[in-house]
Amino acid sequence: DAGVIQSPRHEVTEMGQEVTLRCKPISGHDYLFWYRQTMMRGLELLIYFNNNVPIDDSGMPEDRFSAKMPNASFSTLKIQPSEPRDSAVYFCASSLVHREPGLVKQFFGPGTRLTVL
Amino acid sequence: LAKTTQPISMDSYEGQEVNITCSHNNIATNDYITWYQQFPSQGPRFIIQGYKTKVTNEVASLFIPADRKSSTLSLPRVSLSDTAVYYCLVGDLRGGDKIIFGKGTRLHILP
Repeated sequence: DAGVIQSPRHEVTEMGQEVTLRCKPISGHDYLFWYRQTMMRGLELLIYFNNNVPIDDSGMPEDRFSAKMPNASFSTLKIQPSEPRDSAVYFCASSLVHREPGLVKQFFGPGTRLTVL
Repeated sequence: LAKTTQPISMDSYEGQEVNITCSHNNIATNDYITWYQQFPSQGPRFIIQGYKTKVTNEVASLFIPADRKSSTLSLPRVSLSDTAVYYCLVGDLRGGDKIIFGKGTRLHILP
């Protein structure tokens, strides 16, 4: 099992540019989560999907952020236009929720470190 | 959603048992208690989850009193590699609860 795969691992871009982060969840998992982590705000849930359908996007900071899950094996988080305050580590996680209670066992990817200059 | 409170940081020594307590006074009937561990430059890793009494796995034990208003993560005989941030989460995802990691407890193991 390759685990959750994220790309790129590091991204450096300039303010105003579009940034696309990618995630491949663990095969067979039915939930996918996107998180952002900064020193100031900690680990924040941005959005999550169930069977490719967005369930809760209340954590998405503003309209510049969008996320899609066109199929069960791929998701993207896009920032357009990017700003310096978007600099953070972005994590993707997946879960097999239908078999588990509570807040479920999430498997996290290695993260993408985004720096917006 | 039950709010959680846990110490900001803790220090301990190698070989000791470490107990991290999390308070969740308004935990709901369907809520479970979940703990994650995060090392620097890595994503969080699930440690353990429980509903009541005691749960044990190969990594840790989770003690939950009858009133469920708190829980204690117990790490037996810690080593330097247990230095990490530990997060306590409470809720029920299928019940519509949000996932909130908070700031966690920064555990520092000393030689």
